[in-house]
Amino acid sequence: DAEITQSPRHKITETGRQVTLACHQTWNHNNMFWYRQDLGHGLRLIHYSYGVHDTNKGEVSDGYSVSRSNTEDLPLTLESAASSQTSVYFCASRRDRGETQYFGPGTRLLVL
Amino acid sequence: QKEVEQDPGPLSVPEGAIVSLNCTYSNSAFQYFMWYRQYSRKGPELLMYTYSSGNKEDGRFTAQVDKSSKYISLFIRDSQPSDSATYLCAMSAQEGAQKLVFGQGTRLTINP
Repeated sequence: DAEITQSPRHKITETGRQVTLACHQTWNHNNMFWYRQDLGHGLRLIHYSYGVHDTNKGEVSDGYSVSRSNTEDLPLTLESAASSQTSVYFCASRRDRGETQYFGPGTRLLVL
Repeated sequence: QKEVEQDPGPLSVPEGAIVSLNCTYSNSAFQYFMWYRQYSRKGPELLMYTYSSGNKEDGRFTAQVDKSSKYISLFIRDSQPSDSATYLCAMSAQEGAQKLVFGQGTRLTINP
């Protein structure tokens, strides 16, 4: 079955370290998204991509970057992790003209 | 002021009760309205999708959109313990589920 996966599911890191969160989908969707979820804020868009080599900044993109070298993957990189980036991160994908974004299971990141 | 406001709850009701969940928004460009359900430690999944104003019914769930008041609602009839989850409203000015703006989410518990 087609699916969207995220790895790792849990990560503890130290401030200042570079961290990369993986997102992989097997639906061949062009559209992929990264969100963070925090109490009191709901889901906030970090970066998104409409296709290979396309990337765009979302609402809370400072300190994060993405790259899209193929259709299936959109890795999210924290260049220098900060405690404010402790959060649950969700990746999502959507087919063109689709009514829904399909979400991965999430990655819980703790920055100490 | 946030673009989308949602009462975070928590909301606790007895089994069988009618539940009303609501969101208000400020951006009149929003035309696509969604409700996502998120179980604990899982990614959100689409529950209801509506375009523009009006009602949509799916089983025990009814979504209402009032664009003139910038107000959307989700009603759950004959609520079940399995409905216990966080419900997030989401909106988009673009076609379908592109570039969603989420509410904070309402945590709902249905007591047997």
